[in-house]
Amino acid sequence: EPEVTQTPSHQVTQMGQEVILRCVPISNHLYFYWYRQILGQKVEFLVSFYNNEISEKSEIFDDQFSVERPDGSNFTLKIRSTKLEDSAMYFCASVDYNEQFFGPGTRLTVL
Amino acid sequence: SQKIEQNSEALNIQEGKTATLTCNYTNYSPAYLQWYRQDPGRGPVFLLLIRENEKEKRKERLKVTFDTTLKQSLFHITASQPADSATYLCALAGYSSASKIIFGSGTRLSIRP
Repeated sequence: EPEVTQTPSHQVTQMGQEVILRCVPISNHLYFYWYRQILGQKVEFLVSFYNNEISEKSEIFDDQFSVERPDGSNFTLKIRSTKLEDSAMYFCASVDYNEQFFGPGTRLTVL
Repeated sequence: SQKIEQNSEALNIQEGKTATLTCNYTNYSPAYLQWYRQDPGRGPVFLLLIRENEKEKRKERLKVTFDTTLKQSLFHITASQPADSATYLCALAGYSSASKIIFGSGTRLSIRP
């Protein structure tokens, strides 16, 4: 069964560094999402993406964040200058008929 | 602002009983509501979707109801099993195809043998 994959599974970075989180959505899906989940807290919507454009974004998704689909398969989330509070699990999801298929997540730790 | 509340942080029930979880929302008119299961350290797994014009949906031992007047959804697991132990999340979505999805904080369900 096709699944969403994410790399790396765990990323440790220093505050102020740039990180790129990678996702490979399910191949025939057209809508893609990024979420984050701070330890012990709720899943929070960051951004949705369709047709190579951002569809919606939350107030969390400020100028430090960007998304792109560089090659038609990968879907990336970039954080330009990480802060301590960016430490969280980041989940990618691809969507088929409103059903969201989540990846296993990337645990980002900012030191 | 939009708010989703799931009735309790944790629910413990005996194996074989029906587990009922509640999701209430305010300041929102969703196009549909979803329920997910999340195990520790894993991503959410989609279980069921119910649209605003539907009252009830079933899938095997799962049943969801949706009352847009009360702004409430109930999620039932019948004949519960220890393997059903997990955190269950409700989520609301708007009308556009790639709309923002708002998640509740979840209810941690434990089924004791």
